[in-house]
This record gives sequence, C-alpha cells and structure tokens, in this order.
Amino acid sequence: SQTIHQWPATLVQPVGSPLSLECTVEGTSNPNLYWYRQAAGRGLQLLFYSVGIGQISSEVPQNLSASRPQDRQFILSSKKLLLSDSGFYLCAWSSTNPPGQGIDTQYFGPGTRLTVL
Amino acid sequence: GQQLNQSPQSMFIQEGEDVSMNCTSSSIFNTWLWYKQDPGEGPVLLIALYKAGELTSNGRLTAQFGITRKDSFLNISASIPSDVGIYFCAGANYTGANSKLTFGKGITLSVRP
Repeated sequence: SQTIHQWPATLVQPVGSPLSLECTVEGTSNPNLYWYRQAAGRGLQLLFYSVGIGQISSEVPQNLSASRPQDRQFILSSKKLLLSDSGFYLCAWSSTNPPGQGIDTQYFGPGTRLTVL
Repeated sequence: GQQLNQSPQSMFIQEGEDVSMNCTSSSIFNTWLWYKQDPGEGPVLLIALYKAGELTSNGRLTAQFGITRKDSFLNISASIPSDVGIYFCAGANYTGANSKLTFGKGITLSVRP
C-alpha cells in the first residue's frame, strides 16, 4: 500500500533563516506531487505541483521554492523565511497510472506545522 | 477561476443526529471528493465520486455526485463525537498530467455529547 511521509512534524524558525521541508511517498511510482499551505486551520492553498523529476509548477508567487530530486521525493524550501510563511504545510500525491478515473484523487501527508518568529 | 462553495462555515449538532453538508460550484467537475481533517493532521479522503448521479456510502457516510455535475452533498448519520473535524469538498477535471483539485473552504463540525 502507498504511504506518504512528511518531515519534520513541527518546526520553529527565526525570520530570515532557511527552510527545508521534506515529503516522501512509498508504494507507488511516478506520482504527481503537491505542496499546500493551510493558514489558521482552514482553506488549502496549492503552492506547487510536480508531474515528474525536476518538473515544478508554481501556483502563486511567494518566498518559497520546490524541488523534486527523486521520483518520490518533494522538497519545499526557502532561503529566508518571513513571518507570513508560518502555517501548516501539507504534501499530497496522486496516481498517474493507470490514467483515467481516480487519477485526480489526492492523498495527503500528516503535515508540518511551521512557526516563524 | 473555479470556486467551490461550502456553507455554513460551522455546524453544531447533537450526538446521534444526522447532518448534511452541501458543496456547490459554478463550474462542472468530473470528480468530487470529500475529505475530513482532524486538528493538526492532514486531510483524510472519505469518499470519491467519479460519475454524475453516483451515490456512494462509507459506513455512516453517504455522498452523492450531483446530476448537473455542479454540486455534491455529504450525509453523516447517527453522529458520534469522533465525527468532529473540518469537512472539505474538492472537485477536479481530469486533464492528463496536470491534475489539480479545487477545494471548498471547509465546514467545521462540532458534536455535542
């Protein structure tokens, strides 16, 4: 069965420090991968998605970047954190094989709570 | 852009009651999904709907894909305290490689024992 992991679970960082959040998926190959941010426990904002290694699409301009160095690894980064980067970050995956029904269904990881002070 | 409407923002019910949540859109979707999120955790998929008119159950949960493809509802029967959480609807149109979901803002459900 497929599982998705996020690391770390909780992070407190000072303003101006760098960030690296990791997401890994097991039990599937060539998944679509997604990063979301959720503010104040409500509303999911799509930040980035990836359809393959090295392929990143950004949904909103911001202080963050994403990378996909391996098929089942998705990294969310920042060179200098802002206070407004605080939030709950969720990674999700969806299957690309076989195409068709069910391909849109996304499965979420446990999330990372980021607090920028 | 596409938007999904979920209201009210919060619902308060008594344990044992049934509750219905609606999700509407001005656009057509080919897939409707319902998620539940517990505090501090990621959303968990409850029910997925892939066909207009489809009615699907998962235990005490029942969801339907509206015939117009612009709405969906989720029913919870005989609510229990662990039903507390935020319920999100999401819609999608399969576009091959670039498949993205549109989410509603969620409904926070409280269950009084």
